[in-house]
Amino acid sequence: AQTVTQSQPEMSVQEAETVTLSCTYDTSESDYYLFWYKQPPSRQMILVIRQEAYKQQNATENRFSVNFQKAAKSFSLKISDSQLGDAAMYFCAYRSPLGGNQFYFGTGTSLTVIP
Amino acid sequence: DVKVTQSSRYLVKRTGEKVFLECVQDMDHENMFWYRQDPGLGLRLIYFSYDVKMKEKGDIPEGYSVSREKKERFSLILESASTNQTSMYLCASTPPRGPQFFGPGTRLTVL
Repeated sequence: AQTVTQSQPEMSVQEAETVTLSCTYDTSESDYYLFWYKQPPSRQMILVIRQEAYKQQNATENRFSVNFQKAAKSFSLKISDSQLGDAAMYFCAYRSPLGGNQFYFGTGTSLTVIP
Repeated sequence: DVKVTQSSRYLVKRTGEKVFLECVQDMDHENMFWYRQDPGLGLRLIYFSYDVKMKEKGDIPEGYSVSREKKERFSLILESASTNQTSMYLCASTPPRGPQFFGPGTRLTVL
């Protein structure tokens, strides 16, 4: 089975600064999807950004961008101009299209934003 | 926008009670999932369903069952609740290709 590893249980960033959250995964597949989810305290898990493995260009959504290194099996999330509302648990997730319904999640990184 | 709703945000039950957690999605997704989320353990898959009346066990199905009588509705059932089932329960649905969309979660406490 695929595994997703988030090696940073906790991170902190100063407001307005940039932070990068790490994610690595293990797979033998060539076609798959990767996602970052955000879960604020006591609130709903929402999708932040997605990346299809066949696309070489890194995905970007406003202040959120990814650094997708397919050969290294790395998928990091960069948050620019951090805001207090960015404080949350962030989960990296992998979806295999071959399995269809198999999603694999990392254990999460808790991000604190310091005013 | 996809909307996934769960019947309760907070639920308190007693040991031995039968508990129903309901999830409804409005995007005609075939695939629906139930996870439990515990600190330090991330999300663990309990069951998923890829069609009406179809279900597959996930990683931790023991003590749980599910029901999918209609495409939009996926229920998680705790036949006899135990204290170790105190947790956050998340429902999700997904199209054939793409991300999962999550409900707001149900925080279940079993006393």
